[in-house]
Amino acid sequence: GDSVTQMEGPVTLSEEAFLTINCTYTATGYPSLFWYVQYPGEGLQLLLKATKADDKGSNKGFEATYRKETTSFHLEKGSVQVSDSAVYFCALRNNAGNMLTFGGGTRLMVKP
Amino acid sequence: DAMVIQNPRYQVTQFGKPVTLSCSQTLNHNVMYWYQQKSSQAPKLLFHYYDKDFNNEADTPDNFQSRRPNTSFCFLDIRSPGLGDTAMYLCATTTGSRTNQPQHFGDGTRLSIL
Repeated sequence: GDSVTQMEGPVTLSEEAFLTINCTYTATGYPSLFWYVQYPGEGLQLLLKATKADDKGSNKGFEATYRKETTSFHLEKGSVQVSDSAVYFCALRNNAGNMLTFGGGTRLMVKP
Repeated sequence: DAMVIQNPRYQVTQFGKPVTLSCSQTLNHNVMYWYQQKSSQAPKLLFHYYDKDFNNEADTPDNFQSRRPNTSFCFLDIRSPGLGDTAMYLCATTTGSRTNQPQHFGDGTRLSIL
């Protein structure tokens, strides 16, 4: 079946540092890929998405590129802020169904 | 703004006392989901509706049930909650006909069983 693997956290960075959160997936066919962010006490918010190979999703300074050859969708940001502290989930939706397959989540902590 | 709204945001109830959580959406999406999330783990799917068709996950406990009276509303009923049901419950929606669309989540209901 489908699966998503994320790097384990927590990831602790200083403000303005470069961020990478690794995400790799296993799926049949051509899934759509998503990053969600969850701030403390809130639901999941869609951060960005990519629906086909070589697509780059971007939002709020975050980027991720759909790499089919390496089955990866790594999240990057050039300069993190304290307000980026949250849990980040990588997920895929396979074109065979309506389900999301989530990675385990990565907690990011940004210190001033 | 079009949204997924969950009520209440916080619910405290006693062990064994039935509780109902509600979700409404203004997105006119035909698929609605209920997830359980514990301690910043990934959300765990309980069940979903595709239009009026109910789809239960194999490992969802029997005391968790759901109702969808119309497109906009969906309810999660826990008949006899146990201490282990303390969690965040998330509702989400999407369009079933377009597989490149994300799920849209509400802010969740944090349920505490005492």
